[in-house]
Amino acid sequence: DTGVSQDPRHKITKRGQNVTFRCDPISEHNRLYWYRQTLGQGPEFLTYFQNEAQLEKSRLLSDRFSAERPKGSFSTLEIQRTEQGDSAMYLCASSSQGLFTEAFFGQGTRLTVV
Amino acid sequence: AQTVTQSQPEMSVQEAETVTLSCTYDTSESDYYLFWYKQPPSRQMILVIRQEAYKQQNATENRFSVNFQKAAKSFSLKISDSQLGDAAMYFCASGAGSYQLTFGKGTKLSVIP
Repeated sequence: DTGVSQDPRHKITKRGQNVTFRCDPISEHNRLYWYRQTLGQGPEFLTYFQNEAQLEKSRLLSDRFSAERPKGSFSTLEIQRTEQGDSAMYLCASSSQGLFTEAFFGQGTRLTVV
Repeated sequence: AQTVTQSQPEMSVQEAETVTLSCTYDTSESDYYLFWYKQPPSRQMILVIRQEAYKQQNATENRFSVNFQKAAKSFSLKISDSQLGDAAMYFCASGAGSYQLTFGKGTKLSVIP
């Protein structure tokens, strides 16, 4: 297993455009998380899936953000009508069942909104 | 709600020396976990060490150890025999109840040859 992979690694988009990111977790992991990291800050939680069910969403996840994990495997994070404030690194992580088992992070997708 | 505070934006250490990174946290949960993650430049975050709050014994992983002071809500990371590969951003994080982690702002560690 090559770990958590995210695609694309970098995305530059114009303000107002929609963007979609993909995350492929470690295959046997049933938990998947999305975090956002801005410059000089630690990651901030966005949302959490257990299998295909989205169990938690942060207040940071405005109506313009939507995440899916349709078959309990890969996940997508879509941002509609992007704003400059959406510029950040979007991190995906996955973990196995159990109480606070280790979360493995991907390398992230760096979004720049111009 | 949980908060995590890392008061040292940057630290440096001589190669082979020991350095301690500070972290304080606040939580209303009685059962929680604490973590240190390492984020090398342009690479993914990896778990360095974790501590279950109900355990009194401090966690140790090779050259990495923690000083967990539950009453003081302090969770510092000690790196012994520092190596060039230890240079990275280090994030302290806490988790409780739900599975989301709350991270501090990070400490940038430089290792001087």
